[in-house]
Amino acid sequence: DAKTTQPPSMDCAEGRAANLPCNHSTISGNEYVYWYRQIHSQGPQYIIHGLKNNETNEMASLIITEDRKSSTLILPHATLRDTAVYYCIVRVEGAGNQFYFGTGTSLTVIP
Amino acid sequence: EPEVTQTPSHQVTQMGQEVILRCVPISNHLYFYWYRQILGQKVEFLVSFYNNEISEKSEIFDDQFSVERPDGSNFTLKIRSTKLEDSAMYFCASRPLLSGGTEAFFGQGTRLTVV
Repeated sequence: DAKTTQPPSMDCAEGRAANLPCNHSTISGNEYVYWYRQIHSQGPQYIIHGLKNNETNEMASLIITEDRKSSTLILPHATLRDTAVYYCIVRVEGAGNQFYFGTGTSLTVIP
Repeated sequence: EPEVTQTPSHQVTQMGQEVILRCVPISNHLYFYWYRQILGQKVEFLVSFYNNEISEKSEIFDDQFSVERPDGSNFTLKIRSTKLEDSAMYFCASRPLLSGGTEAFFGQGTRLTVV
């Protein structure tokens, strides 16, 4: 069952920051927030994950609100290659616990 | 950079035939998964595998499906008697055993077409 809510689609101008929101108001204290993306029909690609603190890596930043009920994935300088479906996933860390993919946000980067 | 490898990239089979989809997970990873994605639909969980046994499976993963780790490197998904509705992209994924949240790495998929 979906534990996250994301807008179905977004546009972003090339070179600008893309801010993708995710609502996970029922998240539990031991659930992590993960972000993946899928370009066309390729395999899902891991982007970033976090528990409570904001996280940054070479691909993106993850901002988690203090109450942990929502988060935002930030692609700082979107390129055309960032056009993809972005999935926000919450899951409990444990043996075999699956990653549940909802419908995600289809991000289109516009030249 | 280590990656999950899946073969073949595309397989066409006749309805009723058995197919085996192959995956080589990342070395030292201990959790393995199969997912599928029917064209235009969501990525759906099929099964997870740990310590040489299934740890979780979905309703989709019925008696027609089985998984195996025949040696130290391969992880396979077998569909015993394929149906038209089994046509989909099948993704394998693997994950290490580490404390805290750990990400799963996905392969590029096998496109299965049942005719």
